[in-house]
Amino acid sequence: SQQGEEDPQALSIQEGENATMNCSYKTSINNLQWYRQNSGRGLVHLILIRSNEREKHSGRLRVTLDTSKKSSSLLITASRAADTASYFCATVSYTTSGTYKYIFGTGTRLKVLA
Amino acid sequence: DGGITQSPKYLFRKEGQNVTLSCEQNLNHDAMYWYRQDPGQGLRLIYYSQIVNDFQKGDIAEGYSVSREKKESFPLTVTSAQKNPTAFYLCASSMWALTSNQPQHFGDGTRLSIL
Repeated sequence: SQQGEEDPQALSIQEGENATMNCSYKTSINNLQWYRQNSGRGLVHLILIRSNEREKHSGRLRVTLDTSKKSSSLLITASRAADTASYFCATVSYTTSGTYKYIFGTGTRLKVLA
Repeated sequence: DGGITQSPKYLFRKEGQNVTLSCEQNLNHDAMYWYRQDPGQGLRLIYYSQIVNDFQKGDIAEGYSVSREKKESFPLTVTSAQKNPTAFYLCASSMWALTSNQPQHFGDGTRLSIL
């Protein structure tokens, strides 16, 4: 299985509700990032949380990180139809070759109904 | 506006044919990456480059080749050895591969199909 696995795979909510997505990973990380992908487009970086941080906010986004459980969650508050997209977590880990490797999860497809 | 441009948006490959996907960035980023995305899947790393004239294989490099002759450009060739090339290909860049706190910036992808 992949380093980053999101759950649920798909989520459908009403506009105004909150959406929560979870990401689990296996190895130690330097940081964890969340990205958004609209259908047929590239990924857009949303937020980065370092391994020594537990929570971070950006606008309507709230990310938590629990390194003891190797998991992270992304909360989108007061969702809008425009939030409809796939959301991916990416773990960033140091490699033996001296670089940092990004590993993307399988994504959560969010649909916000107007 | 700075960004990453991938072309073409759609590409069709015949049996036995090599095709090249273009990726150009004007963000002055050192590191560039190629990913493959299959339907409903995450991204898998094909190749990456930290600096001009240097590149490394990712997790699924077989059947692909790259070059990095200029900082701005990182073309990907899908060779005839890649037997299942149908996928969405994404190019990305980041400021510097040797620091961890860098977001990746993505192009809008090339969708490759077999004729």
